[in-house]
This record gives sequence, structure tokens and C-alpha cells, in this order.
Amino acid sequence: EIVLTQSPATLSLSPGERATLSCRASQTISSSYLAWYQHKPGQAPRLLIYDASNRATGVPARFSGSGSGTDFTLTISSLEPEDFAVYYCQQRNRWPPIFTFGPGTKVDI
Amino acid sequence: QVHLVESGGGVVQPGMSLRLACAASGFTFSSYAMHWVRQAPGKGLEWVAIISFDGNNEYYADFVKGRFTISRDNSKNTQYLQLSSLRAEDTALYYCARGRLGASGTWGPIDIWGQGTMVTVSS
Repeated sequence: EIVLTQSPATLSLSPGERATLSCRASQTISSSYLAWYQHKPGQAPRLLIYDASNRATGVPARFSGSGSGTDFTLTISSLEPEDFAVYYCQQRNRWPPIFTFGPGTKVDI
Repeated sequence: QVHLVESGGGVVQPGMSLRLACAASGFTFSSYAMHWVRQAPGKGLEWVAIISFDGNNEYYADFVKGRFTISRDNSKNTQYLQLSSLRAEDTALYYCARGRLGASGTWGPIDIWGQGTMVTVSS
């Protein structure tokens, strides 16, 4: 079973600052199977990045994903007030298609 | 507009069963794999299960251990999650979600989410 670890658990930043969130897998995973989500209280989660580095439809360019193997990163280049939320990485096993989420990183002010 | 609307949540006693439903609209339901994801109070997201676009294949998180069954009825644009032998630790908001179509075929990550239905297991 592949386990995802996210760091830091909490990131305290100010609007305009750069946020760098890490997701580490216990085994090598395909970049095609790594996604990032944003989750705000009382709302449904939102897909931000799929295939490690592709922005989902409508996601602003300040969000970017990178990485390969076991280490992946979500970067928010300049935080907007609406970006303060919890961010999860998710991976999919090659086969069978079992998915797992990381524990999340909370980005707060 | 794409919509997923969950129903069927509620308060049940330990050991009881519950069936959740998710009505889809605004897209060709029969072309997409569908997921269930849950979030316990104060906890993170936890993936539960996925079912193929045609309903012929289903896969589960290890913790399910045969207690939950995912199914779908493409004629009704609806998927289901049958919850059995419920435990207090199954208390959570259960989200219905759509798998993204892409290079991974129909087994992509989640691109559309419902608002969730709350299941509370308590005596």
C-alpha cells in the first residue's frame, strides 16, 4: 500500500507570499497518477492539478504542480485571500485503480 | 451544468445498514467512472471506492473489508453506496464524485464533487 505524507501540516503565510507544499510517496508512483485538491470548509473539494503538473479547467496560473518518482510539489506563486484552505495530494495505484489521499496541508493566514 | 446530488444519509445504530444514492446530471453519466470519498469530522479526505463506467468493475479501499458495496444504474444516472455493519468510525460526510476522463482512461482523479451526505453511526 502506497502511503502519502504531506508537509508541512500547516503553513502560515500572508497574501502575496509564495506557498510550497510537499507530497511524498512511500514508493515510486507514476506522475500520471498524482493529483492535488483544494478544500475549503463547507464546500466540496476542487481538483487543482492532475498528472502531477496539469492544471484543471479554470484553475488560475498561480497554481503549479511538479515532481516525479516519490516527491511532488504544489506551488502557489502569490497567495490570494481565497487560497487559504486545506490542500490534499492523491495518488492512484497503477492497477488495480486504488486511490489514496495524503493527510493534507492547511494553508492559513 | 454538471451536478452530483447525494442522498440517503442519516443517523443509524452500530451494526445497521444504509444505502446512499447520488443523482448525476449535466453529463453523459454512462461514460464516467464514479467514486465515493468520505471525510470524518475534523479529519482529512478518505477515498472509499470506485466503479467503472459500465458498472462491471469496482474497487475499494482496504478499510472497507467487504462491508460496503458500490453500484450504479446508468438508466437512472445514479450511483449507490450500500453501507453495512456500520461502526462509529464510519461517521463521516460521504461525497459522490466523478472520475476524470483522460490519459488514464476512465480511471482518472476526481474532477467533479457533490456536496456530500452525512452519515452518523451512534447508539
